[in-house]
Amino acid sequence: QQQVKQSPQSLIVQKGGISIINCAYENTAFDYFPWYQQFPGKGPALLIAIRPDVSEKKEGRFTISFNKSAKQFSLHIMDSQPGDSATYFCAAKNSGGGADGLTFGKGTHLIIQP
Amino acid sequence: DAGVTQSPTHLIKTRGQQVTLRCSPKSGHDTVSWYQQALGQGPQFIFQYYEEEERQRGNFPDRFSGHQFPNYSSELNVNALLLGDSALYLCASSRDVEQYFGPGTRLTVT
Repeated sequence: QQQVKQSPQSLIVQKGGISIINCAYENTAFDYFPWYQQFPGKGPALLIAIRPDVSEKKEGRFTISFNKSAKQFSLHIMDSQPGDSATYFCAAKNSGGGADGLTFGKGTHLIIQP
Repeated sequence: DAGVTQSPTHLIKTRGQQVTLRCSPKSGHDTVSWYQQALGQGPQFIFQYYEEEERQRGNFPDRFSGHQFPNYSSELNVNALLLGDSALYLCASSRDVEQYFGPGTRLTVT
């Protein structure tokens, strides 16, 4: 059972545009929602994370929007650049669950066209 | 400040063999989690180690085992390798909820 559903599977955006990736979760015990960026041959790098007590968090060009009632969260990349081309993963965790691992979505392959 | 390191980078094994992968956590981190990432998929949680004990395990068989040492470094052991074990094995270290990943070990089983 996939507990975190991520869409789209792939996304092409023009340079300077806004990239939007969406995730939905099922487990209401999840209370920590990070986004990771992964380049080919590398490990995932933590980009930004949010807790459900806020509806939005912004760090530079990256913004997470969170909708607790809909059990959905999304990543917005403003002014997308070719260097942003990578695979992005959303994840979720029950931070009060002690040893619970992260549950990941299947990833979005983002291509920023120059 | 060194990040999470893993060794080896790549490994090729034959079905039925055993393999050991190693991870050194980020400085100041005391918890190590292991993940398996199949090609084109998101990482899947294998287990987590804290204070040299396995605290939680994902949906992986007992062929997967691990160890954590007093210096917080960790090993992942896989016995009786199957072709389906071919994947990128990722180690993540943490002190609280944020997990930081290493570059991974690419395991190919032939």
